[in-house]
Amino acid sequence: EDKVVQSPLSLVVHEGDTVTLNCSYEVTNFRSLLWYKQEKKAPTFLFMLTSSGIEKKSGRLSSILDKKELFSILNITATQTGDSAVYLCAHAGGTSYGKLTFGQGTILTVHP
Amino acid sequence: KAGVTQTPRYLIKTRGQQVTLSCSPISGHRSVSWYQQTPGQGLQFLFEYFSETQRNKGNFPGRFSGRQFSNSRSEMNVSTLELGDSALYLCASSRAILGLAGGPSNEQYFGPGTRLTVT
Repeated sequence: EDKVVQSPLSLVVHEGDTVTLNCSYEVTNFRSLLWYKQEKKAPTFLFMLTSSGIEKKSGRLSSILDKKELFSILNITATQTGDSAVYLCAHAGGTSYGKLTFGQGTILTVHP
Repeated sequence: KAGVTQTPRYLIKTRGQQVTLSCSPISGHRSVSWYQQTPGQGLQFLFEYFSETQRNKGNFPGRFSGRQFSNSRSEMNVSTLELGDSALYLCASSRAILGLAGGPSNEQYFGPGTRLTVT
């Protein structure tokens, strides 16, 4: 059964800091890895990383995938209070890649 | 483009009752997946529907069931509700072009969820 583990489980930083969130995975057949941000509502899509797309960047957020070492990281530079959220990592598996296996999430708190 | 919509947003039921939740995917999306989110277990996959067929199923008892209609809208049903079924139920949709592994078509977008409370 697919397994996704995130670390740290929680992180407290100050505005302007750079943070790195980790996601390791053990899956039978790697398909793609997705990152989501969840505030007090539904998860919002950030990135999807695949064998053909191992690095993504959007503004202050970036993510890389290391298929050899079976992990991914999400970097946030120059953090802002609006970045406070739970960040979720998930592997998309199943016969049509519609089955997401989520990690526990990392709770990020950014203080002013 | 409108996002994923779910109804109702909040629901209170008593033990033993049954409940039906509805999900309308983003226009053009053919796959709908359902998830249960609780503080203790996090986000757990329930099932996925594509072209009215269940493609994947998670480790939930048979009291949890679902279906998909020809317009891609989906419903999930929970029968004989238990206190432990209290959770946020999320659905997500994707374009899901079969055979196209790991492409943008597999990005899943979530609806706002239905908060179910069982008393």
